[in-house]
Amino acid sequence: DAGVIQSPRHEVTEMGQEVTLRCKPISGHNSLFWYRQTMMRGLELLIYFNNNVPIDDSGMPEDRFSAKMPNASFSTLKIQPSEPRDSAVYFCASSFSAENYGYTFGSGTRLTVV
Amino acid sequence: GENVEQHPSTLSVQEGDSAVIKCTYSDSASNYFPWYKQELGKGPQLIIDIRSNVGEKKDQRIAVTLNKTAKHFSLHITETQPEDSAVYFCAASGGSQGNLIFGKGTKLSVKP
Repeated sequence: DAGVIQSPRHEVTEMGQEVTLRCKPISGHNSLFWYRQTMMRGLELLIYFNNNVPIDDSGMPEDRFSAKMPNASFSTLKIQPSEPRDSAVYFCASSFSAENYGYTFGSGTRLTVV
Repeated sequence: GENVEQHPSTLSVQEGDSAVIKCTYSDSASNYFPWYKQELGKGPQLIIDIRSNVGEKKDQRIAVTLNKTAKHFSLHITETQPEDSAVYFCAASGGSQGNLIFGKGTKLSVKP
């Protein structure tokens, strides 16, 4: 398996633009997670899905952020409109279960909003 | 909900020395404790994990210990090498919150 695949690896966009981050989880994994990593806040869980259903989105910063998982092999995280404070590395991870199993992380998307 | 605290935030050792990173958790129902290593420019990678029915687990130069009574667990790296330099995260799950809760990370530097 190629692991968790994220795209793009890097994204530079202007403030106010829409940004879409993409993730392909490991085949057979039932749980998918979106994390944001910054120096100040460390790893923050934004949202996670079990069997394509959003379970906990309490970490989503505000209405500008939205996430979807239309099927078991694809998820998106969208920011609209983007702001400079959204600049961070965004990780997608997948697992057999939200608890009691390790998560496999993708390589991340480094987002810069100017 | 679960809260995981990790210490120290930075750790510098000489090559060949041992390194120990400690974590505490708050939810006594948590029963799964993984450790992740994150190298520069990469995502966190699972390096070892332990479940609550085990007190210690080893894998070559790394070991993890768990004290359920005190609600703390530790990562031990022996004979450190420069390639061990990275940020290490502990995590806990299985409690009321379900998903993994991560510590803030420890930046380990191994000096040749």
